[in-house]
Amino acid sequence: NAGVTQTPKFRVLKTGQSMTLLCAQDMNHEYMYWYRQDPGMGLRLIHYSVGEGTTAKGEVPDGYNVSRLKKQNFLLGLESAAPSQTSVYFCASSYPTTFGPGTRLTVL
Amino acid sequence: GDSVTQMEGPVTLSEEACLTINCTYTATGYPSLFWYVQYPGEGLQLLLKATKADDKGSNKGFEATYRKETTSFHLEKGSVQVSDSAVYFCALRRSGAGSYQLTFGKGTKLSVIP
Repeated sequence: NAGVTQTPKFRVLKTGQSMTLLCAQDMNHEYMYWYRQDPGMGLRLIHYSVGEGTTAKGEVPDGYNVSRLKKQNFLLGLESAAPSQTSVYFCASSYPTTFGPGTRLTVL
Repeated sequence: GDSVTQMEGPVTLSEEACLTINCTYTATGYPSLFWYVQYPGEGLQLLLKATKADDKGSNKGFEATYRKETTSFHLEKGSVQVSDSAVYFCALRRSGAGSYQLTFGKGTKLSVIP
């Protein structure tokens, strides 16, 4: 039972590049979330999903897209990365809410 | 909208000192309240929770009581250890049907020195 896993752990991008962050959970949870963590800002919700095939916007969705094609996976995409997207990204699933280890993304 | 306000850090304490991290919230209805802990380089772990007024959550020597009259959920520990050094987040989850999403405070960094 791995819980929530995230791929990759670290990534450096140049402005304008694209990438996809993968989140996987093996707890059969319906709900999944993507948060970003910035110094002094706590965690802010980017997008979330209440079930396979559904997604919804959170507090800070601009510049990100998501997909939930399979119940166990939740993908976060950056189509054209910007320096303001430098952050640590956490995936979570619930219930109960369980967090992944995070992905540290730097956009130059 | 919902919001969580917690005391700003960083907080530096000597080992065996008493800890209090203040947390207040704004939300409609009767939210559930949580404290999460983040150790360096790791994700967030649930430390304790309370789901209704006057509930006391406790774990690893930490305690917090859900005070609806003051909309507070302060984290306390009587004697901190070096291993408690981490960032602590207060969070709430709105009551009723929904997505179980959490609203977080900005976090309080605790450093415990020997």
